[in-house]
Amino acid sequence: NAGVTQTPKFQVLKTGQSMTLQCAQDMNHNSMYWYRQDPGMGLRLIYYSASEGTTDKGEVPNGYNVSRLNKREFSLRLESAAPSQTSVYFCASRITTGDNSPLHFGNGTRLTVT
Amino acid sequence: GESVGLHLPTLSVQEGDNSIINCAYSNSASDYFIWYKQESGKGPQFIIDIRSNMDKRQGQRVTVLLNKTVKHLSLQIAATQPGDSAVYFCAEKPTGSARQLTFGSGTQLTVLP
Repeated sequence: NAGVTQTPKFQVLKTGQSMTLQCAQDMNHNSMYWYRQDPGMGLRLIYYSASEGTTDKGEVPNGYNVSRLNKREFSLRLESAAPSQTSVYFCASRITTGDNSPLHFGNGTRLTVT
Repeated sequence: GESVGLHLPTLSVQEGDNSIINCAYSNSASDYFIWYKQESGKGPQFIIDIRSNMDKRQGQRVTVLLNKTVKHLSLQIAATQPGDSAVYFCAEKPTGSARQLTFGSGTQLTVLP
C-alpha cells in the first residue's frame, strides 16, 4: 500500500521558471492538501481540496495554483517561482475534511529556487 | 489570533527514560488534537489523536494528555528508544469547521545512548 506518493523528490528552479508538483493517493480519501514546511515554522496550508471538483485556499496560497485532477490526484503549480518559495512541500490526504481523522502525508518535495 | 505552540524546541533524553513533549494551544473551540512524528527526510507520521471529550488516551508506548482548562496537550513516550529521535508536532482544529489543522512548530527529540 503506497499511501501518498509525491513527485519529484527534489527540484531546483531558477527564478521565474514554472513547475508542477504531483501527488497521488491510493487510500480512496476524499480530501487532499498541500502544505509547505519551512525551518522553525511548522506546516502551513497552501491549498486543499475537500472533494473531487473543489479547491480552497489555505493560509499561504499566493504564488500557487492547484488542480484536483480526479479523486486520486492533486497537483500544485508554481507559475513563476520565487526564492521565497524555497521550501519542502508535503501533500496529504484524509477521509473527509470536516471530520476528525488524521492526515496521511507523503515524503515531500524539496524545492530550491535560485 | 489562534496559535499552537510548543514549550521547548529541543529535548534530549537518555535511552530508556520517559519523554514528555508539551504543546499549548489558544483556541477555546479546538476539540480535536493530534500528534505527528517526523523523521529526517520523511513526511509527518500520525502517532495518536484525542478528542476534547477525553483527557487521556494511550497507544503503544505513547500517552496523550489533554488539559482543556489550561489549553495544554502533552505527549509522553515510555522507555524512549533511539528510533524515537525525530521532530514531534502537535496540531489542532475545531470539529466540523472549515478550518483545517493548525500545526505547531515542532520539538526535536534526541535520544542519547
